[in-house]
Amino acid sequence: SAVISQKPSRDICQRGTSLTIQCQVDSQVTMMFWYRQQPGQSLTLIATANQGSEATYESGFVIDKFPISRPNLTFSTLTVSNMSPEDSSIYLCSVEDGTNYGYTFGSGTRLTVV
Amino acid sequence: RKEVEQDPGPFNVPEGATVAFNCTYSNSASQSFFWYRQDCRKEPKLLMSVYSSGNEDGRFTAQLNRASQYISLLIRDSKLSDSATYLCVVLQTGANNLFFGTGTRLTVIP
Repeated sequence: SAVISQKPSRDICQRGTSLTIQCQVDSQVTMMFWYRQQPGQSLTLIATANQGSEATYESGFVIDKFPISRPNLTFSTLTVSNMSPEDSSIYLCSVEDGTNYGYTFGSGTRLTVV
Repeated sequence: RKEVEQDPGPFNVPEGATVAFNCTYSNSASQSFFWYRQDCRKEPKLLMSVYSSGNEDGRFTAQLNRASQYISLLIRDSKLSDSATYLCVVLQTGANNLFFGTGTRLTVIP
């Protein structure tokens, strides 16, 4: 199955600043997905990142707040902009795993905004 | 209405017990179904896909009932290492993203 390297694994940030999260996949994938998991909750999709086009955002998420880059088929970044304490969450990237017919996740970025 | 709903749990069971988790989904066009396991402070990991014919992997059995839009996971002979949160996950036809249930926490007690 695909192997995803996600970093940073955790960070504590001041409100009003921005954090960029990176995901590197060991194989080429068409789509990469960014999820948020708030404390005690399940995962919610933020956006789908396609190489060579704008990301597709889900309802409640906007590009100005969560800009995404997808420069090639193995890499993507998610930026959490102008952070507030409500952005404290775990952020995970994911790719479709053709071998398992499921989806593989990065190890997650635990963000705390103070 | 949520796309995917699960038993809220938590389930606390003794070692060796059999435990079953249930899940319902709202969109009849859903095409693929999964159970994921998430350990504390870790990412979700695929436990098993769920097929219409039902499937078994060792102590784990998954069932899908499309008519009732219902998915189940049965764990036999529970081990301490089975303690985790189990997420019911659905992929809708034509969509590329997953819909997650809120998860059911299982604790297996010695």
